[in-house]
Amino acid sequence: GIQVEQSPPDLILQEGANSTLRCNFSDSVNNLQWFHQNPWGQLINLFYIPSGTKQNGRLSATTVATERYSLLYISSSQTTDSGVYFCAVAPNRGSTLGRLYFGRGTQLTVWP
Amino acid sequence: DTGVSQDPRHKITKRGQNVTFRCDPISEHNRLYWYRQTLGQGPEFLTYFQNEAQLEKSRLLSDRFSAERPKGSFSTLEIQRTEQGDSAMYLCASSSFPQGRQETQYFGPGTRLLVL
Repeated sequence: GIQVEQSPPDLILQEGANSTLRCNFSDSVNNLQWFHQNPWGQLINLFYIPSGTKQNGRLSATTVATERYSLLYISSSQTTDSGVYFCAVAPNRGSTLGRLYFGRGTQLTVWP
Repeated sequence: DTGVSQDPRHKITKRGQNVTFRCDPISEHNRLYWYRQTLGQGPEFLTYFQNEAQLEKSRLLSDRFSAERPKGSFSTLEIQRTEQGDSAMYLCASSSFPQGRQETQYFGPGTRLLVL
């Protein structure tokens, strides 16, 4: 199956700092989603972004599909941003299959 | 729209017992997925349904696992003769496909299973 690598595995920031999370994938994709998993385990949708750039408040994401990577930017981080950030992709094989392949996540800790 | 709901949220069972989990997708979502997540890992795909048809099963889904979506609405995941290795978070997701060829999966809160 498609390989998804996320970096860094761990990130510790002080409140107010900016950060960039990276997701590399090994094949072309027709779906790429970024999630935030809160301490209770809920996966919260951040972006659906198989290509291009999107912004939502302090968060933005860019996917360069031809180079097989995506970036998640978090600006002016807050303690509530803490948690694990996952990148998940569905390979583009011309089929309708939609299963997502997840990376191992980036554990973000924001200190006050 | 209410989100995806799962029941129970937590389950503790003894090895060898059977357990069943339920997932209610977002209304009118035709696709429903089951994933499993162990500590320190990302979720892994188990199986999915389009309406009531089960279209794909992962090799992770041993013969002890069975999933159903009888009327194309809610789904159940049953694990028979549970083993300690089945301890994990079981996540359900739903999506509306096709929707302009954009398929966004929305996840439920998960069911945490602990097998003693």
